[in-house]
Amino acid sequence: DAGVIQSPRHEVTEMGQEVTLRCKPISGHNSLFWYRQTMMRGLELLIYFNNNVPIDDSGMPEDRFSAKMPNASFSTLKIQPSEPRDSAVYFCASGGYRADTQYFGPGTRLTVL
Amino acid sequence: GQQLNQSPQSMFIQEGEDVSMNCTSSSIFNTWLWYKQDPGEGPVLLIALYKAGELTSNGRLTAQFGITRKDSFLNISASIPSDVGIYFCAGRGLSGSARQLTFGSGTQLTVLP
Repeated sequence: DAGVIQSPRHEVTEMGQEVTLRCKPISGHNSLFWYRQTMMRGLELLIYFNNNVPIDDSGMPEDRFSAKMPNASFSTLKIQPSEPRDSAVYFCASGGYRADTQYFGPGTRLTVL
Repeated sequence: GQQLNQSPQSMFIQEGEDVSMNCTSSSIFNTWLWYKQDPGEGPVLLIALYKAGELTSNGRLTAQFGITRKDSFLNISASIPSDVGIYFCAGRGLSGSARQLTFGSGTQLTVLP
């Protein structure tokens, strides 16, 4: 199994630009999670989907953030407009039947200048 | 909300020594997970625990689900240089979504030759 795939691995952009992060979960998993990791706040859950439906987005910082899961094999996290404080590593994770056991992708390191 | 206290924050040990780290929760957890994160990578699941008192090993790693269901520990025996990384505990409590995990702040392990 290829594991969770994320792209891009690194993204550098300027303040105000739109950023789209992509995730392909492990085949057969029905839960998908987006996390943000920073030195100050550690790992924070932003949103999670079950069977492609957003279940809890209470961790999404503000309206500039949006996430979609159009099908079982693809999800996006979009930031528009981006701000320097959005700089972080963004992880996607997926879970199967035992969804409390989550498998993480390699992350996207976002730098907003 | 649920909070996890992970300790120690960092450890410097000699190669060959045993390591112990732990997590405590302010509330009862149903699941405890231990992850390791290498630089530039996503957290990798090491051990999952689902029952109070459960003791599970994965090679040189051993983890236990505390009887009170409010704590867990991870031991690494005979440490080697590749054990270097950040170790995170994570748990799922009784409140909140069935799939949401709470993460500890991590233990940074350094193994000296």
